[in-house]
Amino acid sequence: AQTVTQSQPEMSVQEAETVTLSCTYDTSESDYYLFWYKQPPSRQMILVIRQEAYKQQNATENRFSVNFQKAAKSFSLKISDSQLGDAAMYFCAYRENNAGNMLTFGGGTRLMVKP
Amino acid sequence: EAGVAQSPRYKIIEKRQSVAFWCNPISGHATLYWYQQILGQGPKLLIQFQNNGVVDDSQLPKDRFSAERLKGVDSTLKIQPAKLEDSAVYLCASSPRGLYNEQFFGPGTRLTVL
Repeated sequence: AQTVTQSQPEMSVQEAETVTLSCTYDTSESDYYLFWYKQPPSRQMILVIRQEAYKQQNATENRFSVNFQKAAKSFSLKISDSQLGDAAMYFCAYRENNAGNMLTFGGGTRLMVKP
Repeated sequence: EAGVAQSPRYKIIEKRQSVAFWCNPISGHATLYWYQQILGQGPKLLIQFQNNGVVDDSQLPKDRFSAERLKGVDSTLKIQPAKLEDSAVYLCASSPRGLYNEQFFGPGTRLTVL
């Protein structure tokens, strides 16, 4: 079974600085997607960024970018120019492309942003 | 476009009681998911519907949990009887037709079992 591990329960960053959240996963598949989701306190979970495993280029969405290391099974999220609104739980998730649309989530990292 | 709606937002019950949660997906979304998110953990998929048929319910504790999606739109998740370890946030999500599309999440129902 696939597993997703987020080894940092909590992280903090100063406003306007850069922070990197770590995620590792275990799979024997070669065709899959990886995601980062953001869950603000008492608010809906929203998709931040996605990465297709067959694409070597790292995905980027404005201030959010990933470092995808397929051989190492590592998928970290970098947030540049951190803002107070970035404070939330961040979840890394895995989806195998031959098993429906089922997401496997990591345990989450709580990001705090200091003004 | 309206998002995924869930009700109630909060529910407190005593163990061995029954409880039901309701989800209204985004209009036109064929696939609906129920997740359980225990405090301090990531969401875990309980059941996935495609229209009104079950795609995956392998992690649903069927001795106490049940779910239905009548007419392929709204869905209800029921727990009967509830246990203390069922305390969690129950998230509903939906995605458009096609199995590999983005999931949109609702605000969740926070259940506390005393």
